[in-house]
Amino acid sequence: NAGVTQTPKFRILKIGQSMTLQCTQDMNHNYMYWYRQDPGMGLKLIYYSVGAGITDKGEVPNGYNVSRSTTEDFPLRLELAAPSQTSVYFCASSKRGAIQETQYFGPGTRLLVL
Amino acid sequence: GENVEQHPSTLSVQEGDSAVIKCTYSDSASNYFPWYKQELGKRPQLIIDIRSNVGEKKDQRIAVTLNKTAKHFSLHITETQPEDSAVYFCAASNRGNTNAGKSTFGDGTTLTVKP
Repeated sequence: NAGVTQTPKFRILKIGQSMTLQCTQDMNHNYMYWYRQDPGMGLKLIYYSVGAGITDKGEVPNGYNVSRSTTEDFPLRLELAAPSQTSVYFCASSKRGAIQETQYFGPGTRLLVL
Repeated sequence: GENVEQHPSTLSVQEGDSAVIKCTYSDSASNYFPWYKQELGKRPQLIIDIRSNVGEKKDQRIAVTLNKTAKHFSLHITETQPEDSAVYFCAASNRGNTNAGKSTFGDGTTLTVKP
């Protein structure tokens, strides 16, 4: 199993541009999450999903959108990039009802908005 | 919603000493408390977790304790080694909640183990 994969690893955007951060998991997990981590800070939940077709907002959803059309994929969309969205973005997944409800994280996408 | 506070924000210890990181949570319904380790430039990875029906759990040099009444839990690392240097995050979630079991994370503790 590859686990949780994310693309791209690094991206530079200009203010106002849009992009989609890709996240895929091959562990058949029903829960998926998007976090952002600013330098020296903790993880803030952006959006999460409990299964295909179901998404909900986390702590910091403004400026982002998500969709979940399949169990495996959970893309994060930035419509109008702003410097405040410069951060490292982590996707994670977990299996509801598992004995150990660990969140497995992807390797992260480093985004710089100039 | 849940609020998790983590202390200290930075911790420096000598190799071989013990390190303790403490977290408090606000939602008495939280019942699952994982700890993650994040090495520089890497992804967070689970190192140990505890459920609310357990007061203590150990895994080699790592232990976690939980005080449900006081709503706090702690990570204990004994005989620290330089490779323990990393950022440690605590988290709290309600596994029985249909609200996705999403975790609220603390802000992290940067542990430095000096050789």
